[in-house]
Amino acid sequence: QVQLVDSGGGVVQPGRSLRLSCAASGFTFNNYAMHWVRQAPGKGLEWVAVVSYDGSIEYYAHSVKGRFTISRDNSKNTLYLQMNSLRTEDTAVYYCARGNRREIDYWGQGTLVTVSS
Amino acid sequence: QPVVTQPPSASGTPGQRVTISCSGSSSNIGSNYVYWYQQLPGTAPKLLIYRSDQRPSGVPDRFSGSKSGTSASLAISGLRSEDEADYYCAAWDDSLSVVLFGGGTKLTVL
Repeated sequence: QVQLVDSGGGVVQPGRSLRLSCAASGFTFNNYAMHWVRQAPGKGLEWVAVVSYDGSIEYYAHSVKGRFTISRDNSKNTLYLQMNSLRTEDTAVYYCARGNRREIDYWGQGTLVTVSS
Repeated sequence: QPVVTQPPSASGTPGQRVTISCSGSSSNIGSNYVYWYQQLPGTAPKLLIYRSDQRPSGVPDRFSGSKSGTSASLAISGLRSEDEADYYCAAWDDSLSVVLFGGGTKLTVL
């Protein structure tokens, strides 16, 4: 069965960096685009970024463009989100998700990122 | 700035039929499929409807989706207490090259 295990969250100070990981199993990882979606405490879902099946194409939400980088290692079946220059408003549960560029089907369990001094 | 809009809340009694609307524009719902997700309290979202009106295997046929022009709807018939959750619609936006989520609708089963 499809499994997506998010990790790497934690507490970080504003302006610092953090890298999230998502280990995928149960499907052919390099056949799918992969997304990151976040959810601030008590708020709705906010799409963050998507990377194509081969890592050659990336799209970002305006709120994170230039600060976050999505990438993947198909040899390790792992998705990453490098988050730089973190702000308090980046505090959220971050979910990795599988799909194609325009759709999302399976979601990970999420990892909490707290940006606070 | 394109947005996708949902009502913040909806409610119904057990057995009733409820619908949740999702309104967008020509650059998102008007030209792309709509997806619906159910998020039970404290859990990750789950795909409920894909490509506007298709149900993944395992999703009861009480759930159905439709799309017309720049709007879409999720209908839940035979409402059950376990349907109490947050529901989100989503669609790709061609002008921004992003996935847009609606703000979510909290469904209460009275």
